[in-house]
Amino acid sequence: AQSVTQLDSHVSVSEGTPVLLRCNYSSSYSPSLFWYVQHPNKGLQLLLKYTSAATLVKGINGFEAEFKKSETSFHLTKPSAHMSDAAEYFCVVSGAINAGNMLTFGGGTRLMVKP
Amino acid sequence: DAGVIQSPRHEVTEMGQEVTLRCKPISGHDYLFWYRQTMMRGLELLIYFNNNVPIDDSGMPEDRFSAKMPNASFSTLKIQPSEPRDSAVYFCASSLKGYYYTGELFFGEGSRLTVL
Repeated sequence: AQSVTQLDSHVSVSEGTPVLLRCNYSSSYSPSLFWYVQHPNKGLQLLLKYTSAATLVKGINGFEAEFKKSETSFHLTKPSAHMSDAAEYFCVVSGAINAGNMLTFGGGTRLMVKP
Repeated sequence: DAGVIQSPRHEVTEMGQEVTLRCKPISGHDYLFWYRQTMMRGLELLIYFNNNVPIDDSGMPEDRFSAKMPNASFSTLKIQPSEPRDSAVYFCASSLKGYYYTGELFFGEGSRLTVL
């Protein structure tokens, strides 16, 4: 079985400052990990993915995430926040093919960006 | 492609009424998922289909909820009778085989249900 914990339900930053959204996972298998973004009143959209290739993965809109197996973490970062980054972000872990529901979503982190 | 299309976008109904939510997946996708999102419980998987066949409905809250996929281009989620605690945003998502590896679920914009 797998699980994912997003350590902060809300994060507030000022425009132009770095963003850090934290995610820890648990999996019995070598997981694939993803970040999704949900803008207000919209559906979820894939932001980036880790699938056992490079441990530092780049996504859309300047976001990056680093897979750290020793820390079971997959934190999302961006060097400089923009007002348009204000949204909810979900960390997602996938398990084995025979694990039933194979994508497990975290509880979400709401990012607020102050002018 | 137009993406995943859900209707209605907003629904307000009274307790006890039947509610039907509709979803048109992306053409060619063979997986379809129904999720529910609330402030209290976050995003919950209700049911998913593969090639129109329900695979796992363990997330369906109770017998008041039912879902069908009569063909590859259409699915419904029905609540009968509806209750105030069913108020939520319901999302439909579709994907290709291998989504568990690519993570690529394509979500619709959701149906916001309010049960008074």
